[in-house]
Amino acid sequence: EAQVTQNPRYLITVTGKKLTVTCSQNMNHEYMSWYRQDPGLGLRQIYYSMNVEVTDKGDVPEGYKVSRKEKRNFPLILESPSPNQTSLYFCASSRAPEQFFGPGTRLTVL
Amino acid sequence: GIQVEQSPPDLILQEGANSTLRCNFSDSVNNLQWFHQNPWGQLINLFYIPSGTKQNGRLSATTVATERYSLLYISSSQTTDSGVYFCAVRFSGGYNKLIFGAGTRLAVHP
Repeated sequence: EAQVTQNPRYLITVTGKKLTVTCSQNMNHEYMSWYRQDPGLGLRQIYYSMNVEVTDKGDVPEGYKVSRKEKRNFPLILESPSPNQTSLYFCASSRAPEQFFGPGTRLTVL
Repeated sequence: GIQVEQSPPDLILQEGANSTLRCNFSDSVNNLQWFHQNPWGQLINLFYIPSGTKQNGRLSATTVATERYSLLYISSSQTTDSGVYFCAVRFSGGYNKLIFGAGTRLAVHP
Protein backbone atom coordinates (compact mmCIF):
# COMPACT_ATOMS: atom_id res chain seq x y z
CA GLU A 1 0.00 0.00 0.00
CA ALA A 2 1.31 3.40 -1.00
CA GLN A 3 1.74 5.48 2.11
CA VAL A 4 3.64 8.00 4.17
CA THR A 5 4.44 6.85 7.70
CA GLN A 6 5.52 8.89 10.70
CA ASN A 7 6.83 7.87 14.09
CA PRO A 8 6.09 8.43 16.83
CA ARG A 9 2.43 9.38 16.49
CA TYR A 10 2.34 10.96 19.94
CA LEU A 11 5.20 12.34 22.01
CA ILE A 12 5.42 14.24 25.26
CA THR A 13 8.88 15.52 26.11
CA VAL A 14 10.64 18.21 28.13
CA THR A 15 12.37 21.39 27.09
CA GLY A 16 15.84 20.85 25.71
CA LYS A 17 15.71 17.09 25.18
CA LYS A 18 16.68 16.35 21.58
CA LEU A 19 14.18 14.37 19.57
CA THR A 20 13.69 13.04 16.06
CA VAL A 21 10.42 12.42 14.25
CA THR A 22 10.86 9.95 11.42
CA CYS A 23 9.08 10.07 8.08
CA SER A 24 9.18 7.42 5.40
CA GLN A 25 7.42 7.00 2.05
CA ASN A 26 7.23 3.98 -0.23
CA MET A 27 6.15 5.75 -3.42
CA ASN A 28 9.64 6.64 -4.69
CA HIS A 29 8.74 10.34 -4.54
CA GLU A 30 11.54 12.84 -4.94
CA TYR A 31 9.84 15.68 -3.08
CA MET A 32 9.19 15.54 0.66
CA SER A 33 8.30 18.21 3.20
CA TRP A 34 7.32 18.89 6.79
CA TYR A 35 4.42 21.03 7.99
CA ARG A 36 3.20 22.06 11.40
CA GLN A 37 -0.41 22.77 12.26
CA ASP A 38 -1.39 25.22 14.96
CA PRO A 39 -4.82 26.52 15.96
CA GLY A 40 -5.68 29.71 14.12
CA LEU A 41 -2.55 29.49 11.95
CA GLY A 42 -3.35 26.49 9.77
CA LEU A 43 -0.62 24.35 8.24
CA ARG A 44 2.73 25.96 7.59
CA GLN A 45 5.73 24.48 5.84
CA ILE A 46 8.87 23.94 7.94
CA TYR A 47 11.37 22.39 5.50
CA TYR A 48 11.25 20.67 2.17
CA SER A 49 13.51 18.46 0.08
CA MET A 50 13.55 18.28 -3.70
CA ASN A 51 15.70 15.14 -3.73
CA VAL A 52 18.41 13.27 -1.85
CA GLU A 53 20.88 15.66 -0.19
CA VAL A 54 18.81 18.68 -1.32
CA THR A 55 16.89 20.46 1.45
CA ASP A 56 15.68 24.01 1.94
CA LYS A 57 13.80 26.14 4.44
CA GLY A 58 10.09 26.65 4.33
CA ASP A 59 8.15 29.36 6.14
CA VAL A 60 8.92 28.42 9.75
CA PRO A 61 12.31 26.63 9.91
CA GLU A 62 13.63 28.09 13.19
CA GLY A 63 14.40 25.42 15.76
CA TYR A 64 14.29 22.51 13.31
CA LYS A 65 16.76 20.52 11.26
CA VAL A 66 16.22 17.93 8.55
CA SER A 67 18.30 15.51 6.54
CA ARG A 68 17.70 13.55 3.34
CA LYS A 69 20.26 10.80 3.01
CA GLU A 70 17.90 8.38 1.26
CA LYS A 71 14.99 9.07 -1.04
CA ARG A 72 12.44 7.32 1.18
CA ASN A 73 13.30 8.97 4.53
CA PHE A 74 13.09 12.57 5.70
CA PRO A 75 13.50 12.89 9.49
CA LEU A 76 12.65 16.07 11.39
CA ILE A 77 15.10 16.89 14.20
CA LEU A 78 14.46 19.18 17.15
CA GLU A 79 17.87 19.73 18.75
CA SER A 80 16.56 21.64 21.76
CA PRO A 81 12.75 21.58 21.82
CA SER A 82 10.86 24.45 23.41
CA PRO A 83 7.20 24.75 24.45
CA ASN A 84 6.40 26.87 21.38
CA GLN A 85 7.15 23.80 19.26
CA THR A 86 4.17 22.01 20.74
CA SER A 87 2.14 21.28 17.63
CA LEU A 88 0.76 18.70 15.23
CA TYR A 89 3.37 17.79 12.63
CA PHE A 90 2.78 16.35 9.18
CA CYS A 91 5.20 14.87 6.72
CA ALA A 92 4.24 14.91 3.04
CA SER A 93 5.64 13.47 -0.15
CA SER A 94 4.91 14.28 -3.75
CA ARG A 95 5.53 13.43 -7.33
CA ALA A 96 4.33 16.87 -8.41
CA PRO A 97 1.88 18.18 -8.20
CA GLU A 98 -0.31 16.13 -5.86
CA GLN A 99 0.89 15.76 -2.25
CA PHE A 100 0.23 12.91 0.15
CA PHE A 101 0.36 13.37 3.90
CA GLY A 102 1.39 11.12 6.74
CA PRO A 103 -0.88 10.47 9.74
CA GLY A 104 0.61 13.26 11.86
CA THR A 105 2.70 13.42 15.03
CA ARG A 106 1.25 15.23 18.02
CA LEU A 107 4.15 16.70 19.99
CA THR A 108 3.92 18.30 23.42
CA VAL A 109 6.96 20.03 24.88
CA LEU A 110 6.69 20.73 28.62
CA GLY B 1 -0.42 38.77 -0.93
CA ILE B 2 -1.24 35.21 -1.83
CA GLN B 3 -4.48 34.12 -0.20
CA VAL B 4 -6.67 31.07 0.12
CA GLU B 5 -10.04 31.74 1.68
CA GLN B 6 -12.60 29.14 2.67
CA SER B 7 -16.23 29.58 3.54
CA PRO B 8 -18.17 29.07 5.64
CA PRO B 9 -15.80 28.73 8.62
CA ASP B 10 -18.28 26.56 10.49
CA LEU B 11 -21.18 24.43 9.35
CA ILE B 12 -23.68 22.35 11.31
CA LEU B 13 -25.83 19.84 9.46
CA GLN B 14 -28.46 17.27 10.22
CA GLU B 15 -27.60 13.82 8.94
CA GLY B 16 -28.84 13.43 5.38
CA ALA B 17 -28.49 17.09 4.43
CA ASN B 18 -26.42 18.37 1.51
CA SER B 19 -23.78 21.10 1.70
CA THR B 20 -21.40 23.14 -0.43
CA LEU B 21 -18.01 24.36 0.77
CA ARG B 22 -16.16 27.06 -1.12
CA CYS B 23 -12.49 27.88 -1.66
CA ASN B 24 -11.37 31.14 -3.26
CA PHE B 25 -7.75 31.73 -4.24
CA SER B 26 -5.99 34.91 -5.23
CA ASP B 27 -3.79 33.79 -8.13
CA SER B 28 -3.53 31.13 -10.82
CA VAL B 29 -2.79 27.65 -9.51
CA ASN B 30 -1.37 24.42 -10.88
CA ASN B 31 -2.46 22.30 -7.97
CA LEU B 32 -5.57 22.34 -5.83
CA GLN B 33 -6.38 19.65 -3.33
CA TRP B 34 -9.23 19.10 -0.90
CA PHE B 35 -8.52 17.32 2.38
CA HIS B 36 -10.65 16.07 5.23
CA GLN B 37 -9.07 16.21 8.68
CA ASN B 38 -10.85 13.68 10.85
CA PRO B 39 -11.33 14.02 14.61
CA TRP B 40 -8.08 12.08 15.16
CA GLY B 41 -6.13 14.71 13.23
CA GLN B 42 -5.38 12.68 10.11
CA LEU B 43 -5.42 14.48 6.75
CA ILE B 44 -7.28 12.45 4.17
CA ASN B 45 -6.83 13.27 0.48
CA LEU B 46 -10.24 13.83 -1.06
CA PHE B 47 -9.53 15.32 -4.46
CA TYR B 48 -6.69 16.55 -6.58
CA ILE B 49 -8.55 19.00 -8.80
CA PRO B 50 -6.70 21.95 -10.36
CA SER B 51 -9.58 22.26 -12.85
CA GLY B 52 -12.78 20.52 -13.88
CA THR B 53 -15.12 18.29 -11.93
CA LYS B 54 -14.60 15.00 -10.10
CA GLN B 55 -16.86 12.76 -8.10
CA ASN B 56 -16.16 10.12 -5.49
CA GLY B 57 -19.25 8.57 -3.97
CA ARG B 58 -21.19 11.20 -2.05
CA LEU B 59 -18.49 13.80 -2.56
CA SER B 60 -17.79 15.82 -5.64
CA ALA B 61 -15.65 18.84 -6.42
CA THR B 62 -15.50 21.48 -9.10
CA THR B 63 -12.69 23.94 -9.77
CA VAL B 64 -13.14 26.89 -12.10
CA ALA B 65 -9.54 27.96 -12.46
CA THR B 66 -10.27 31.01 -14.61
CA GLU B 67 -12.54 32.39 -11.88
CA ARG B 68 -10.24 31.25 -9.05
CA TYR B 69 -12.57 29.17 -6.97
CA SER B 70 -13.33 25.59 -6.09
CA LEU B 71 -16.41 23.97 -4.58
CA LEU B 72 -16.72 20.79 -2.56
CA TYR B 73 -20.16 19.18 -2.48
CA ILE B 74 -21.20 16.76 0.22
CA SER B 75 -24.47 14.98 -0.38
CA SER B 76 -26.50 12.92 2.10
CA SER B 77 -24.12 13.83 4.89
CA GLN B 78 -23.23 11.29 7.58
CA THR B 79 -21.83 11.74 11.08
CA THR B 80 -18.53 10.34 9.81
CA ASP B 81 -18.23 13.38 7.54
CA SER B 82 -17.61 15.55 10.60
CA GLY B 83 -14.22 17.21 10.87
CA VAL B 84 -12.38 20.02 9.14
CA TYR B 85 -12.20 20.38 5.37
CA PHE B 86 -9.16 22.10 3.93
CA CYS B 87 -8.51 23.48 0.51
CA ALA B 88 -4.81 23.75 -0.39
CA VAL B 89 -3.23 25.21 -3.50
CA ARG B 90 0.13 25.53 -5.16
CA PHE B 91 0.40 28.74 -7.07
CA SER B 92 1.80 28.73 -10.58
CA GLY B 93 5.46 29.72 -10.56
CA GLY B 94 5.87 28.81 -6.94
CA TYR B 95 7.89 25.88 -5.69
CA ASN B 96 6.19 22.77 -4.47
CA LYS B 97 4.56 24.22 -1.36
CA LEU B 98 0.91 23.86 -0.61
CA ILE B 99 -0.78 26.89 0.90
CA PHE B 100 -3.72 25.92 3.04
CA GLY B 101 -6.93 27.76 3.70
CA ALA B 102 -8.16 28.11 7.27
CA GLY B 103 -10.64 25.27 6.78
CA THR B 104 -14.37 24.69 7.21
CA ARG B 105 -15.32 22.91 10.41
CA LEU B 106 -18.27 20.59 9.75
CA ALA B 107 -20.39 18.94 12.41
CA VAL B 108 -23.02 16.43 11.29
CA HIS B 109 -25.57 15.50 13.93
CA PRO B 110 -27.72 12.36 13.87
